Amino acid sequence: EAGVAQSPRYKIIEKRQSVAFWCNPISGHATLYWYQQILGQGPKLLIQFQNNGVVDDSQLPKDRFSAERLKGVDSTLKIQPAKLEDSAVYLCASSLDVAYGETGELFFGEGSRLTVL
Amino acid sequence: AQKVTQAQTEISVVEKEDVTLDCVYETRDTTYYLFWYKQPPSGELVFLIRRNSFDEQNEISGRYSWNFQKSTSSFNFTITASQVVDSAVYFCALGYRGTSYGKLTFGQGTILTVHP
Repeated sequence: EAGVAQSPRYKIIEKRQSVAFWCNPISGHATLYWYQQILGQGPKLLIQFQNNGVVDDSQLPKDRFSAERLKGVDSTLKIQPAKLEDSAVYLCASSLDVAYGETGELFFGEGSRLTVL
Repeated sequence: AQKVTQAQTEISVVEKEDVTLDCVYETRDTTYYLFWYKQPPSGELVFLIRRNSFDEQNEISGRYSWNFQKSTSSFNFTITASQVVDSAVYFCALGYRGTSYGKLTFGQGTILTVHP
């Protein structure tokens, strides 16, 4: 079974530029997540999709970050304009549509490492 | 507020030693889930275990074991007879039922290095 695919693996940009990350979840997984992991910290949820609807985006800096999952499959996370503090690994994860909103196992991709200069 | 604390930033052991990774959590909810994930150098987080708040039974899986104690809000992870392949960053996390069920609160992580 193919895992969660992410691209690009690495990206270096200057501050105020824009960047986009792509994620393709495991086939059949209805729920998709974007987490931000700053060096030396645990991941933090940015946004959660259930099919193509947003479940939680309370920690997404909406003035510069946007995400979409138009057909309920793959997803794109965009940052525009980037700031120095956005340097991090952006992890995509997916999970099965568990019953009654129970938290199950999340399957993570290898992440996209962003460096903002 | 939810919080997960992993007080050990880094642990270094020699192969075949036993090692315990500590995790302490804070939550006001009575129903919650606790997780351990492993992050090898390749970067992806790998699921190890999920426990729900009603199940305090300890669990053993091969060389891995977990000790859940609600009285002390702890969910510790022990690796018996450690191996070099166990070297990774280990994260403890807290999750819930309900609309934000995938919103895990992670600890800072513990870097485990196992030397040959």
